[in-house]
Amino acid sequence: LAKTTQPISMDSYEGQEVNITCSHNNIATNDYITWYQQFPSQGPRFIIQGYKTKVTNEVASLFIPADRKSSTLSLPRVSLSDTAVYYCLVGDMSFTGGGNKLTFGTGTQLKVEL
Amino acid sequence: GAVVSQHPSRVICKSGTSVKIECRSLDFQATTMFWYRQFPKKSLMLMATSNEGSKATYEQGVEKDKFLINHASLTLSTLTVTSAHPEDSSFYICSAEDRVGSTEAFFGQGTRLTVV
Repeated sequence: LAKTTQPISMDSYEGQEVNITCSHNNIATNDYITWYQQFPSQGPRFIIQGYKTKVTNEVASLFIPADRKSSTLSLPRVSLSDTAVYYCLVGDMSFTGGGNKLTFGTGTQLKVEL
Repeated sequence: GAVVSQHPSRVICKSGTSVKIECRSLDFQATTMFWYRQFPKKSLMLMATSNEGSKATYEQGVEKDKFLINHASLTLSTLTVTSAHPEDSSFYICSAEDRVGSTEAFFGQGTRLTVV
């Protein structure tokens, strides 16, 4: 599984766009990039997943450059409730019959203030 | 999305006793579930892979006799912390995937274990 590097923490204010970048220099051809959000004392929650270029859903966008050695999670107009830890995971998500083991890195603690 | 439920959400037990944590997939069947442990302000660490109808696969450094895993049905996996000690106090989280080939894992809400 590819190792990921993220900033330990980020601060922002309500209404701003937040971009969290994750480095994954050793990403393999079959690897997908997935981001999870975790609030204190709760299990992680899937945010978005992508393989290349750009993916957008109702909560975030994921930008992946052509070399795929990094990715950026973009949260538009954050609010106080977006304060959480965000994890970037990279791994082969193809089904192997044994499920997908996830390796969590340190994550990025996002703090949103008024 | 699919729902994974853990029970209890928090438990306090005395040193030397055993504690069982349940992980249920409520609206799907899961042949494989995963158990993680998370210490305060730390990341999740995979403990073991729970396989329905067979033995669990433990990660390096995780004592299988300490953390007993039973995956007796397609909707239930249990983690039993045996002879618990204060250092076992942690946040335990399970996850599962809702279908073959799924690329999204669904996590339970976690169980806060405190051993006194």
